[in-house]
Amino acid sequence: NAGVTQTPKFQVLKTGQSMTLQCAQDMNHNSMYWYRQDPGMGLRLIYYSASEGTTDKGEVPNGYNVSRLNKREFSLRLESAAPSQTSVYFCASSERTGGSSYNSPLHFGNGTRLTVT
Amino acid sequence: DAKTTQPNSMESNEEEPVHLPCNHSTISGTDYIHWYRQLPSQGPEYVIHGLTSNVNNRMASLAIAEDRKSSTLILHRATLRDAAVYYCILRPPKPGSGNTGKLIFGQGTTLQVKP
Repeated sequence: NAGVTQTPKFQVLKTGQSMTLQCAQDMNHNSMYWYRQDPGMGLRLIYYSASEGTTDKGEVPNGYNVSRLNKREFSLRLESAAPSQTSVYFCASSERTGGSSYNSPLHFGNGTRLTVT
Repeated sequence: DAKTTQPNSMESNEEEPVHLPCNHSTISGTDYIHWYRQLPSQGPEYVIHGLTSNVNNRMASLAIAEDRKSSTLILHRATLRDAAVYYCILRPPKPGSGNTGKLIFGQGTTLQVKP
C-alpha cells in the first residue's frame, strides 16, 4: 500500500517550459488536491477535485491546469513555467463516502521540488 | 473561510507534555477543527480532528474550548521525532453555501524538542 505517490521528486525547468506533475493514490479515495508550499507561506491550495470528473480552483490557481484522469490519478500542469512557480508541490487525497466524510483526513505525498530558472 | 491563529514557534523538553494553542474566534458552528503536522522534507501528516468534544488518539489529544473559539493540541510526552510544524485548520463539513469543504493551511507552529 503506497498511499499517495508523486513523480518526479525533483525537477528543474527553464522559464517558458512546460511540464506535468503526476499524482496517484491507491486508497480508493474520491477527493484529491494539489498544494504548493513556499518558505514562510504555509501550504496554499492550487486546485482540488472533490470527486472523479470534477475540479475546482483553490487559492492560487493562476498558471496551472489540472486533470482528474480517473479516480486514482490527478495531474498538475504548468503550461509556461515562471520563476514564481519555484516551490514544493504536494498532492493529497481523502475519502469521501457521504456528507459527513468531508472531514476524513487528507493523506499527502512526499512532494515534488520544482525549480524554475 | 474562517482563520486560525497559532504562535510561530514553541520549544519543549523531551518527555515533557506539550500544549500547542490555536485561536479560531470566527469559527462557525459546523466547522471541524483539524490538526496536521509536517516533519522536515515530508508531506503533512494528519494528527487529529474534532467538533465539540475533546478527542484522543494514539498520537495526541485535542482539547476544544466550550465556546469553540480556541483549541489545544496536547502531546503527552514529546519526543525528538515530534519536532515538526503543527497546523491547526478549520474545515467546513461539506460543500454548500459558499463552503468548499477544502482545507486551508496557515503558517503553523514550529515545535522544537530539546533533548
